[in-house]
Amino acid sequence: QKEVEQNSGPLSVPEGAIASLNCTYSDRGSQSFFWYRQYSGKSPELIMFIYSNGDKEDGRFTAQLNKASQYVSLLIRDSQPSDSATYLCAVNSGGSNYKLTFGKGTLLTVNP
Amino acid sequence: DTGVSQNPRHKITKRGQNVTFRCDPISEHNRLYWYRQTLGQGPEFLTYFQNEAQLEKSRLLSDRFSAERPKGSFSTLEIQRTEQGDSAMYLCASSPTARANTEAFFGQGTRLTVV
Repeated sequence: QKEVEQNSGPLSVPEGAIASLNCTYSDRGSQSFFWYRQYSGKSPELIMFIYSNGDKEDGRFTAQLNKASQYVSLLIRDSQPSDSATYLCAVNSGGSNYKLTFGKGTLLTVNP
Repeated sequence: DTGVSQNPRHKITKRGQNVTFRCDPISEHNRLYWYRQTLGQGPEFLTYFQNEAQLEKSRLLSDRFSAERPKGSFSTLEIQRTEQGDSAMYLCASSPTARANTEAFFGQGTRLTVV
């Protein structure tokens, strides 16, 4: 059973702070990793993807991947109330380059 | 709007009825996926098409579920004899050309309520 686990929420941070979202995965053969943002009642929106160990930055977002520890994280700098959403971690397992396995998501609330 | 389009956005049906959902992927994407999401859970994979070929079906997809993509463009997902447990958000996604590690883009979803 390939699993993706995310840190239990909800996570609450003040406006302007750094929000840290974590994800671990069980399939050591996993190749690619995605972070989706989902507002309540809406569909998931892709915000970051990472394929190689290390950090990948895009604006206020930084994805970090450590394949040895089977760990991927998302940092949101200068958090804004509009960042309040559920963040879903998704993984392509090694045997499939198309099927995503999602975690349950972490609800982030950014307080003004 | 050139994103993934799903219709209808909402569907309320009585138990035992059949329902059909449609998905129009991003035009140049040859991969199309269906996922199902229930409250408090992440999306779960249902099925995958590459062009018109259905290449994988999840065990979640019982015999009451069928999906097609007849011309390799739009896709339909039909649920026969709906049950209350089928109530969920049905999400369609597409991704570009057949290469590894492609990012999937989701449509707005169809929220099904079985009463």
